[in-house]
Amino acid sequence: AQSVTQLDSQVPVFEEAPVELRCNYSSSVSVYLFWYVQYPNQGLQLLLKYLSGSTLVKGINGFEAEFNKSQTSFHLRKPSVHISDTAEYFCAVRNNYGQNFVFGPGTRLSVLP
Amino acid sequence: DGGITQSPKYLFRKEGQNVTLSCEQNLNHDAMYWYRQDPGQGLRLIYYSQIVNDFQKGDIAEGYSVSREKKESFPLTVTSAQKNPTAFYLCASSYGEINTEAFFGQGTRLTVV
Repeated sequence: AQSVTQLDSQVPVFEEAPVELRCNYSSSVSVYLFWYVQYPNQGLQLLLKYLSGSTLVKGINGFEAEFNKSQTSFHLRKPSVHISDTAEYFCAVRNNYGQNFVFGPGTRLSVLP
Repeated sequence: DGGITQSPKYLFRKEGQNVTLSCEQNLNHDAMYWYRQDPGQGLRLIYYSQIVNDFQKGDIAEGYSVSREKKESFPLTVTSAQKNPTAFYLCASSYGEINTEAFFGQGTRLTVV
């Protein structure tokens, strides 16, 4: 069975500082990986996805993530955050056999002025 | 514009009443999903459907029911058997292929009093 771990439930960071949100997954087969963002009382919006090819994936709003197969990780990074990046971030995985998406518990990013 | 529409955004019901949440998509997606979101618990899968007239239970199906009579529609009924129905409900859809992302609606916040 697949599972997704997001070790940091909350990450406070000052505006214009860099941030990394961690995601680790467990799966015995090849996976497809996703990061979503959720603003209060809204649905989830796709930030970026890894399907194949280059392990460094660039997404919207200046975010990027790196797929590391040996460490089964897909950490999300942004070199300089803005107040507007304050939101909840979810990592998700889907594999070649699973029909469903498995989501991590989420990380709440708080950007402080 | 293509997308997923959930209605209503806010819903209040008395304890013991059944309530149906609407989810419509015009993305021509084959698969549709219902998730429940509680604070600090991420997204938990209630039901999913890969094709019309077929659906499968997710991790927390007890107290819920669904139908998939049309490709565009996947309504969720929260029955009186659901012990703690107050939550944020998210509907999603995706193409049938494994290497595709899920698209989400804006959610319905259900409060049972």
